[in-house]
Amino acid sequence: ETGVTQTPRHLVMGMTNKKSLKCEQHLGHNAMYWYKQSAKKPLELMFVYNFKEQTENNSVPSRFSPECPNSSHLFLHLHTLQPEDSALYLCASSERDGWDTRQNIQYFGAGTRLSVL
Amino acid sequence: EDQVTQSPEALRLQEGESSSLNCSYTVSGLRGLFWYRQDPGKGPEFLFTLYSAGEEKEKERLKATLTKKESFLHITAPKPEDSATYLCAVQARGNNRLAFGKGNQVVVIP
Repeated sequence: ETGVTQTPRHLVMGMTNKKSLKCEQHLGHNAMYWYKQSAKKPLELMFVYNFKEQTENNSVPSRFSPECPNSSHLFLHLHTLQPEDSALYLCASSERDGWDTRQNIQYFGAGTRLSVL
Repeated sequence: EDQVTQSPEALRLQEGESSSLNCSYTVSGLRGLFWYRQDPGKGPEFLFTLYSAGEEKEKERLKATLTKKESFLHITAPKPEDSATYLCAVQARGNNRLAFGKGNQVVVIP
C-alpha cells in the first residue's frame, strides 16, 4: 500500500447516525489534513495535525470530531450531520506543517463521498 | 485575505488544440504556488510548485509559468487523457496554509 488511503470511498448516512472516516498515509509524513470539497467551491481546510498535535481547527462545527492517534492515521468522526454536510471529504499529508514550501507539498487521498439524508 | 481566481471555469478543447489556464492570485508575499490535477472521483494529484516570478516547469504536455500576479498552465497538443480539473493553490509568506482556487475543468474531445 502506498500513498494516502481513505476508507470508505462512499458513505450514506442519516442525520442521526454516527460514522467515522479513516485515512492512512504510507509516505512517512508528519502532518495530516482534512478538507471538504463541495461543487463549485474551493477546497475548504477543516483540520490540521502536525506530529499528532492539532494545529488548525478552521471553525468547524462540533458535529465533526477529528482524531490523530499517530502520524500515519487520521480519523474524522461524524455525528448528527446536516444535509449541507454532503460533500467529498479529502485527507492529505505533507512532510510537516510549516513555512517551508517544499515540506508543505500536500498529497491527497481519493476521498470519501458523503451523502447525508 | 489570500485570494485565488481561476479562469476559465470550464474549457472544451479538440484533441491537439493547445490552450492556457489562468490562476490569478492576491497574497501578501508569495512563498509558493502549486498546481494540482484532479480526475473525477479522485483526490488532487500534485503537479508543480513555482516559487518566484519568471520560473517555469514542465511535465509532458503541461508547462506552468509564474508572474508576480498570476500563473498560467499551458497545455500543448492535449490528448483526451488530459481531461481533468486543474487546481491552483498559493501559500503566502508567514502562513502555513494553502488557499485554493475553484479549479479549471478541462475536457479534451477526440
